[in-house]
Amino acid sequence: GAGVSQTPSNKVTEKGKYVELRCDPISGHTALYWYRQSLGQGPEFLIYFQGTGAADDSGLPNDRFFAVRPEGSVSTLKIQRTERGDSAVYLCASSLGTSGRGEQFFGPGTRLTVL
Amino acid sequence: AQSVSQHNHHVILSEAASLELGCNYSYGGTVNLFWYVQYPGQHLQLLLKYFSGDPLVKGIKGFEAEFIKSKFSFNLRKPSVQWSDTAEYFCAVNRDSNYQLIWGAGTKLIIKP
Repeated sequence: GAGVSQTPSNKVTEKGKYVELRCDPISGHTALYWYRQSLGQGPEFLIYFQGTGAADDSGLPNDRFFAVRPEGSVSTLKIQRTERGDSAVYLCASSLGTSGRGEQFFGPGTRLTVL
Repeated sequence: AQSVSQHNHHVILSEAASLELGCNYSYGGTVNLFWYVQYPGQHLQLLLKYFSGDPLVKGIKGFEAEFIKSKFSFNLRKPSVQWSDTAEYFCAVNRDSNYQLIWGAGTKLIIKP
């Protein structure tokens, strides 16, 4: 079956602009995660959804970042007033969500570049 | 704060050499441990995982890892590497009650043919 998909694959924007990044998880996966990976680093947790609700948003760096998952499947990560420091690869993952032991399946990521 | 350390950022080996990549974590209590791999141009995929039981776990493509609780370590091993093992390897940790993964910085492995 289809894996996790993310669009766009690349996004270039100017400082101060608003961007939306989309994630389409594996069908039937109730848990959805957003991570951010900067150059030379491992992924950094941003937010985790269980169904439609954000179960843990402790990783969002500030109030410019927001994510939604209104119908419990597709999720959108929204970044307002982008800054150059937001440049990174944004990864989405999904899992069956029954416990922390569940394998997280990753998408290819969206590379965000803020000029 | 919880953290994961991977000691080697870059490793270069010849084919057929043995591999060991270090991973240490700072996390009290019971943890779940994972190794993920990212091949060039591909997305992250799971190599192996440990939750409980036998501390020596086997994963895909001949990889294995050993959990040593007293050392807070979960090192990845492979007896004989192949050119196709060239990739970046990440160690990650979470708990049953906290799904978010805490990641190491990764180790870039290059296998010379």
